[in-house]
Amino acid sequence: EAGVVQSPRYKIIEKKQPVAFWCNPISGHNTLYWYRQNLGQGPELLIRYENEEAVDDSQLPKDRFSAERLKGVDSTLKIQPAELGDSAVYLCASSLWVRGRDTEAFFGQGTRLTVV
Amino acid sequence: AQKITQTQPGMFVQEKEAVTLDCTYDTSDPSYGLFWYKQPSSGEMIFLIYQGSYDQQNATEGRYSLNFQKARKSANLVISASQLGDSAMYFCAMREADRGSTLGRLYFGRGTQLTVWP
Repeated sequence: EAGVVQSPRYKIIEKKQPVAFWCNPISGHNTLYWYRQNLGQGPELLIRYENEEAVDDSQLPKDRFSAERLKGVDSTLKIQPAELGDSAVYLCASSLWVRGRDTEAFFGQGTRLTVV
Repeated sequence: AQKITQTQPGMFVQEKEAVTLDCTYDTSDPSYGLFWYKQPSSGEMIFLIYQGSYDQQNATEGRYSLNFQKARKSANLVISASQLGDSAMYFCAMREADRGSTLGRLYFGRGTQLTVWP
């Protein structure tokens, strides 16, 4: 069974440029997460989807970040314009979430973004 | 307030020895889940072990066990018989199961860098 697939693995862009990350979750998983991990820190949630609905986006900087999950499967995360402080690893994860039953989240390998 | 606290930035252990990685958590919800993940230098997050707040027994998965002390709100990871391949960053995480709009959010600690030496 394929795991969570993210692309690209690495991206270097100049500040003020746009950038997009793509995530394909595990088949059948209804919950998708985007996390940002700064160097030496734990991951922090940016947005969480249940199917195609964004149910938790309170930590997404909406002035420059946007995300979508069309048809409740693949997802893209976009930054426009990028700033130097956006340099981080962006992790996508998916899980099968059913209220009252907890399951682990499976993570992709992440996209390492460097803004110069 | 921090939801997850990992007080050990780095730990060192000799191969074949056991090591305990500390984790304390903060929640007022009666229902929650606790997770440990391993992150090698390659960057992927690998799920290791899960403990539910209502589980009576400590979780075990092979060489990993979770020392769950509910009253103290601690969920320490014990790795027995350490191997060189265990060298990685280890993250403790918590998900609150019944809290409004943050239902399902997974909170992570800052991690502990484990180094296993021969």
